[in-house]
Amino acid sequence: GESVGLHLPTLSVQEGDNSIINCAYSNSASDYFIWYKQESGKGPQFIIDIRSNMDKRQGQRVTVLLNKTVKHLSLQIAATQPGDSAVYFCAEGVQGAQKLVFGQGTRLTINP
Amino acid sequence: DTAVSQTPKYLVTQMGNDKSIKCEQNLGHDTMYWYKQDSKKFLKIMFSYNNKELIINETVPNRFSPKSPDKAHLNLHINSLELGDSAVYFCASSQVQRSYNEQFFGPGTRLTVL
Repeated sequence: GESVGLHLPTLSVQEGDNSIINCAYSNSASDYFIWYKQESGKGPQFIIDIRSNMDKRQGQRVTVLLNKTVKHLSLQIAATQPGDSAVYFCAEGVQGAQKLVFGQGTRLTINP
Repeated sequence: DTAVSQTPKYLVTQMGNDKSIKCEQNLGHDTMYWYKQDSKKFLKIMFSYNNKELIINETVPNRFSPKSPDKAHLNLHINSLELGDSAVYFCASSQVQRSYNEQFFGPGTRLTVL
């Protein structure tokens, strides 16, 4: 079956440090990738996306890196803050298709 | 103004009952979805509707029946509820005519079957 990410790891970082969340995807045809943030009791919220013709994309305090050779995606959060505590999901899709396939998520916790 | 809204937020019911969850989006999107999130946070698509037409049905038991009265609404009706149906159900919407499918999610409905 399809899968994006195989684990639900937990990443614990010190406030102010940088966080790196990783994701593996399996569909070589995927050409669009999204990172979502889900806070406790809420729905997933869009953070940043990247298309397969790019290797890197930056947003405000976040950077997404895409390595198509090894089918790997990462989300880097600079200067992690308490408000960054959440479960982070990667999702993959194909241009023009309706379906996104979600990974199982990574829980990010911030130590004061 | 909430872009994607769901009601109710919490639903507690007995096994065997029938229940419905409602979803509305005010984004003018043409496609709506239902997802199920289990206790391990795994998020899996159940259904997708495009302009009121069923597009995706991901091997969901036929006790689950989505209904889309118009493209701004996608409701989920569940018959004969089972313990395993307990989960958080998310509605989402997107504008698929745009090339890339960014989906906007509702706040979720936590269903507990006793």
